[in-house]
Amino acid sequence: EIVLTQSPATLSLSPGDRVTLSCRASQSVSSYLVWYQQKPGQAPRLLIYDASNRATGIPVRFSGSGSGTDFTLTISSLEPEDFAVYYCQQRRNWPLTFGQGTKLEIK
Amino acid sequence: EVQLVESGGSLVQPGGSLRLSCAASGFTFNNFVMNWVRQAPGKGLEWVSSISGGGDTMYYPDSVKGRFTISRDNSKTTLFLQMNSLRPEDTAVYYCTKGPRRRLDWLPTHEYWGPGTLVTVSS
Repeated sequence: EIVLTQSPATLSLSPGDRVTLSCRASQSVSSYLVWYQQKPGQAPRLLIYDASNRATGIPVRFSGSGSGTDFTLTISSLEPEDFAVYYCQQRRNWPLTFGQGTKLEIK
Repeated sequence: EVQLVESGGSLVQPGGSLRLSCAASGFTFNNFVMNWVRQAPGKGLEWVSSISGGGDTMYYPDSVKGRFTISRDNSKTTLFLQMNSLRPEDTAVYYCTKGPRRRLDWLPTHEYWGPGTLVTVSS
């Protein structure tokens, strides 16, 4: 099973800040890494698929990069609605696995 | 517009059974992989099962294999999850999700999500 480790667990930031979230895989997942956003009381939403491709309707301030075992999700300038929990997921091998999440909170 | 609506969640005793449903609309149901993902209270996401568009291929993690069965009725555009031998650690919100392709040789992303249904396993 591929283990995904996200860091940090929590980030305290202000609107307008630039932020980079990390996801590290226990073995190579090539570019098969996906990012989701989850706001309180809501279902997750697909943000980025296959490391760097924005899903439909996702603002350009969200970008993803990486390959192999190290991946990042960058938000270029935080909007108030971006404060949420972010999960990565690998789709390289069964079982599909998720990271434990990174929570972005308002400073 | 893609819509997924789960139902069937409730309180059930350990060892009991429950069947979840997910009514789908807004897309050609039999052309897409469907999945179940769960989230225990205050915890992260866990993939539970996937089924191909034709319903002939399924995958499960070890945590539910042999206890849970995913199925679909393409004529009624509905996805199911039969859960047997339920344990307290199965307590979670269960989400129905849609994948972007028909076959499972392309491992799925979770492109669209329903609002979820809560399953509580407790005596």
